[in-house]
Amino acid sequence: EVQLVESGGGLVQPGGSLRLSCAASGFTFSDYSMNWVRQAPGKGLEWVSYISSSRTIIYYVDSVRGRFTISRDNAKNSLYLQMNRLRAEDTAVYYCARGNFGDYIDPFDYWGQGTLVTVSS
Amino acid sequence: DIQMTQSPSSLSASVGDRVTITCRASQSINTYLNWYQQKPGKAPTLLIHAASNLQSGVPSRFSGSGSWTHFTLTISSLQPEDFATYYCQQGYSNPRTFGQGTKLEIK
Repeated sequence: EVQLVESGGGLVQPGGSLRLSCAASGFTFSDYSMNWVRQAPGKGLEWVSYISSSRTIIYYVDSVRGRFTISRDNAKNSLYLQMNRLRAEDTAVYYCARGNFGDYIDPFDYWGQGTLVTVSS
Repeated sequence: DIQMTQSPSSLSASVGDRVTITCRASQSINTYLNWYQQKPGKAPTLLIHAASNLQSGVPSRFSGSGSWTHFTLTISSLQPEDFATYYCQQGYSNPRTFGQGTKLEIK
């Protein structure tokens, strides 16, 4: 059974940093691309970042480029999102979502339960 | 960025009804269109990929169609567990973008 479990969310002050993790199991992690998708409270879904299976291709939405860094450790079956210079508008539930085989980004066929990031003073 | 617009934003329907949700892209996306269902407090789940391909395990009452800029998600006979919010998502270019969602409520 495919499982994705996020952790690392919490309350952080504006300008602060946070590192999210996503532990994957039930599939060959190194074969699939991975994504982070977020959802602000009461709002819709926003794709944030993508990393290919081999880590060679990375994309970000403009609003986080230069502040967030996606990475993965295929030996540990883990995905990460380092979030720096956080803003109030980054407040959201952050989901990790499995992408497609290899370099293909989507569809997002499995999602974690999400971890809440709250940016507030 | 490609804008995805869903209509309606909300919809009231009854068990057994046939329901159609529309998604329009601001430019042609071929059939690079996916549909997701999200229930309150839960993560989204994939229903349809590549416009019309039913994801494994999804009931056959769900179907998708369309191409280029106009897409539809149809539920042929609503079941109680189908009351949720539905999102379309384009997979044609970056950044990937979602529609604003359609909330399907019980009449």
